[in-house]
Amino acid sequence: AQTIHQWPVAEIKAVGSPLSLGCTIKGKSSPNLYWYWQATGGTLQQLFYSITVGQVESVVQLNLSASRPKDDQFILSTEKLLLSHSGFYLCAWSLWGARDTQYFGPGTRLLVL
Amino acid sequence: KTQVEQSPQSLVVRQGENCVLQCNYSVTPDNHLRWFKQDTGKGLVSLTVLVDQKDKTSNGRYSATLDKDAKHSTLHITATLLDDTATYICVVGAGGSNYKLTFGKGTLLTVTP
Repeated sequence: AQTIHQWPVAEIKAVGSPLSLGCTIKGKSSPNLYWYWQATGGTLQQLFYSITVGQVESVVQLNLSASRPKDDQFILSTEKLLLSHSGFYLCAWSLWGARDTQYFGPGTRLLVL
Repeated sequence: KTQVEQSPQSLVVRQGENCVLQCNYSVTPDNHLRWFKQDTGKGLVSLTVLVDQKDKTSNGRYSATLDKDAKHSTLHITATLLDDTATYICVVGAGGSNYKLTFGKGTLLTVTP
């Protein structure tokens, strides 16, 4: 069975501090991976997707970056957090193409003060 | 400009009643449309995906329609249960080699005893 794990579960960070959020998928090789962000009370936005190791496509620019260092790992990061980065970050995976069902992780809740 | 509009914003029904959620969009291309269920503070769970120009799907108590000419979709939930309390999100996918998804803000459904 496939499992998707996100870390940390929640974090409180200071404005200007760095951030690294992680996502790992187990039990599935070469998945497509996705990062999403949802401001409190807001609409989910797709941030990045990755079809293969080392390749990441940006969908929305939010002063964030993403990397895929391993087949089963997707990292979201920034060197300087903004207040506007607060929200709920979701990672997802799918097996096939753009139409395939995406399976979402439990999410990371981030509060920037 | 909001590209995926969902209505109503919120809805309260009594257990056992049926309900209909609406989704209107202006996204192009509209390769497919998917409905997700999001429990509060959790990830998304796919309910159904619609693909054809005029499409209908059924998944247990959930059924959905899509009319690409009208750029309109509906999600019907029959015989609601307390566990149906959640936010239901309409998502339009570009498809093909384009993995971009555009999300609606969701309809908050509350099922009361």
